[in-house]
Amino acid sequence: DADVTQTPRNRITKTGKRIMLECSQTKGHDRMYWYRQDPGLGLRLIYYSFDVKDINKGEISDGYSVSRQAQAKFSLSLESAIPNQTALYFCATRRDINSPLHFGNGTRLTVT
Amino acid sequence: AQSVSQHNHHVILSEAASLELGCNYSYGGTVNLFWYVQYPGQHLQLLLKYFSGDPLVKGIKGFEAEFIKSKFSFNLRKPSVQWSDTAEYFCAVNAMDSSYKLIFGSGTRLLVRP
Repeated sequence: DADVTQTPRNRITKTGKRIMLECSQTKGHDRMYWYRQDPGLGLRLIYYSFDVKDINKGEISDGYSVSRQAQAKFSLSLESAIPNQTALYFCATRRDINSPLHFGNGTRLTVT
Repeated sequence: AQSVSQHNHHVILSEAASLELGCNYSYGGTVNLFWYVQYPGQHLQLLLKYFSGDPLVKGIKGFEAEFIKSKFSFNLRKPSVQWSDTAEYFCAVNAMDSSYKLIFGSGTRLLVRP
């Protein structure tokens, strides 16, 4: 969905490095989410935000932080990357709790 | 805590076979329910959703799902699958409490053989 843009699409980094994954949306949605996808584990919620001043931890927030710079932007940071954070990361937005999620195309992160 | 279980991790079917994928959730309150599909190399797309009303909901591409509240289940069905249905399918549950978290199951990978 071109309305939700994630950068970069692919990233290889080394253990201990700090990296940031970015997400921007043009849908005007207040609610934004970060998930990671691992084979056999599905999507697990890292952080979610209902507006610029409302940020909440998801199921697996340890080792991650987020920043909601504006309604349209929601960044995910790995403060000190480790190999088990190798995964496919998805950003998603939705208008309200009765609406489906709209996903970005994902960022494939490899930590060596 | 809210959780979602998909019991079938891998399913292999021949074209024209019928499909049923199981989804159970654990949450005692009101929920919204979703099925998403992820085709190879793509992001997740909505197949169908249930909020209230008729527990049998129809989605895109001939899929349907039935909400059985007493069983905490929301199984996905399709009478006759096609090769193009090869994908991974995710059930998701949104608890209608103060958290409003949307939690996904672990997914079912479907392979349809021509």
